[in-house]
Amino acid sequence: DGGITQSPKYLFRKEGQNVTLSCEQNLNHDAMYWYRQDPGQGLRLIYYSQIVNDFQKGDIAEGYSVSREKKESFPLTVTSAQKNPTAFYLCASSTPGGRAGELFFGEGSRLTVL
Amino acid sequence: QKEVEQNSGPLSVPEGAIASLNCTYSDRGSQSFFWYRQYSGKSPELIMSIYSNGDKEDGRFTAQLNKASQYVSLLIRDSQPSDSATYLCAAYDRGSTLGRLYFGRGTQLTVWP
Repeated sequence: DGGITQSPKYLFRKEGQNVTLSCEQNLNHDAMYWYRQDPGQGLRLIYYSQIVNDFQKGDIAEGYSVSREKKESFPLTVTSAQKNPTAFYLCASSTPGGRAGELFFGEGSRLTVL
Repeated sequence: QKEVEQNSGPLSVPEGAIASLNCTYSDRGSQSFFWYRQYSGKSPELIMSIYSNGDKEDGRFTAQLNKASQYVSLLIRDSQPSDSATYLCAAYDRGSTLGRLYFGRGTQLTVWP
């Protein structure tokens, strides 16, 4: 079945540690996105990519980094520079062109900083 | 900053009633609009997309778009308890190089039996 797989679902981190969240899709989508969601809030865009080896900062990129070495994969690293990383992280993908706003989401990764 | 604003919730309606969710957007350049449903603790799922002025119906859901007023709405007819969720409105902007969505904060809907 086609879809987006995020791992891990739950992650605990000590302050000062970097962590990497995995996102893999087998939908053959060109565009991939990372969002952050805090309780009672909408989705805030961290990074997005429309093509391999290219990505753009979103609205809250500080303290995060990404890579897009393969079409299927778009991992997100939460660095120690991110001051308040506890949140629900969502990866999404879409096709380009007219349906570009129709996102498919993974199940999310919930990060807690201890 | 491009903004998408949703009517403040939470919204509570009885089973069988019509739920009306509203959304306005700041950027006249936005071309297409979307409604996502998000159950508590889950990821969002697309339920409606609308690309041109007017109404679009899909089962019990109707999306309405008025580009002149920069207004999008979602009507849920014959609301069911299973419709209880947060509904996210989003506007797509093609941008100068890369397109992206702008999301509102969401409206929490509760349908009580």
